[in-house]
Amino acid sequence: QLQLQESGPGLVKPSETLSLTCTVSGGSISSSSYYWGWIRQPPGKGVEWIGSIYYSGSTYYNLSLKSRLTISVDTSKNQFSLKLSSVTAADTAVYYCASDRIYASGSYQDYWGQGILVTVSS
Amino acid sequence: DIQMTQSPSSLSASVGERVTITCRASQIISSYLNWYQQKPGKAPNLLIYAASSLQSGVPSRFSGSGSGTDFTLTISSLQPEDFATYYCQQSYSTPLTFGGGTKVEIK
Repeated sequence: QLQLQESGPGLVKPSETLSLTCTVSGGSISSSSYYWGWIRQPPGKGVEWIGSIYYSGSTYYNLSLKSRLTISVDTSKNQFSLKLSSVTAADTAVYYCASDRIYASGSYQDYWGQGILVTVSS
Repeated sequence: DIQMTQSPSSLSASVGERVTITCRASQIISSYLNWYQQKPGKAPNLLIYAASSLQSGVPSRFSGSGSGTDFTLTISSLQPEDFATYYCQQSYSTPLTFGGGTKVEIK
């Protein structure tokens, strides 16, 4: 079964860029059955979808973040990455990567990383 | 964006009770509705996809129903390990959106 693991800094300064990487094991990131996604959850709050990417590089972004967001994929390393620029305290959250299984015209996140808390603070 | 509204936001129930959580979409989403369970400090875990399909490994006491705009998650007999927060999510269109969550607590 798939395993996903987030990595990156746990502390980012305001106005800087948050960068995270998700490493996929137990399967190929080049699978035609999956998109690969990022989801976040501010402490004590609900869940927000950030965006997702296909192995070909095709992306879907949450428009509320699109101007600051870049999601990329490195098939040679079986990894995909998130960059969120100009961060503020409102971007403080646990960030999860997840496999986004495609079916018909829908999808569901069937495997998740353990999550990484990213705090935006000077 | 499609808004997902869950009710109730929290509930108290006893072990063995039948529990029902509802989720309403702000527009028709066919059956593109998923349910997740989240325990404190853990990632959400997929329970139900496509409104009523049970994810592999999930106990059969969990079931989902509905289509269009109104959906239900039912736990037929609540077990101690089921005390958690439950989220619905639509995958009909991007951005994928989640409900606000239902916290199931011990009575």
